[in-house]
Amino acid sequence: DQQVKQNSPSLSVQEGRISILNCDYTNSMFDYFLWYKKYPAEGPTFLISISSIKDKNEDGRFTVFLNKSAKHLSLHIVPSQPGDSAVYFCAASANPGNQFYFGTGTSLTVIP
Amino acid sequence: DGGITQSPKYLFRKEGQNVTLSCEQNLNHDAMYWYRQDPGQGLRLIYYSQIVNDFQKGDIAEGYSVSREKKESFPLTVTSAQKNPTAFYLCASRARTGFNQPQHFGDGTRLSIL
Repeated sequence: DQQVKQNSPSLSVQEGRISILNCDYTNSMFDYFLWYKKYPAEGPTFLISISSIKDKNEDGRFTVFLNKSAKHLSLHIVPSQPGDSAVYFCAASANPGNQFYFGTGTSLTVIP
Repeated sequence: DGGITQSPKYLFRKEGQNVTLSCEQNLNHDAMYWYRQDPGQGLRLIYYSQIVNDFQKGDIAEGYSVSREKKESFPLTVTSAQKNPTAFYLCASRARTGFNQPQHFGDGTRLSIL
């Protein structure tokens, strides 16, 4: 059973606009959430994370929002750049656990 | 440069053969992980290890085996018992478990059956 879901397989955005990628989870014990970026034939690269004690975390152009009551998190990229085109995975874990659960990914295309 | 090295990048296996995928890290991380990625699916955990000489099964361990004899190395063997081994395999490490720290990934090995 998929505990972390990304319901949008793909997203296209114009360069300079905002990209919003969404992720839902079912396990209320999850308290640490991450976003990874992945290019083809490469491993995922860690982008940004958030713990459940926060509802927002920002790093440059990337902001992650967490809505615990809705079991929903989102990644905002502003402004979007062509180099942001990649597959984005969200992941979650329940500390002090050791397993991370990954969504199926959203392929973002930023159109110049 | 610190990082995680997976080798080889591409691997071909004949039916009925075992094959071992290498994963080495020089980040001094305690925990290491093996994932499998199939098209249209997320990463699924095969095995993980928190310390040397200790490892646990993940969600899809059947047909796989691992060892952790050294902190920096966590090889994965895909045995002939694995019914559908063709996939992209990713190794990851993490500094310590039980803390809010991300996993860091290697660049993966693509395994194909001849």
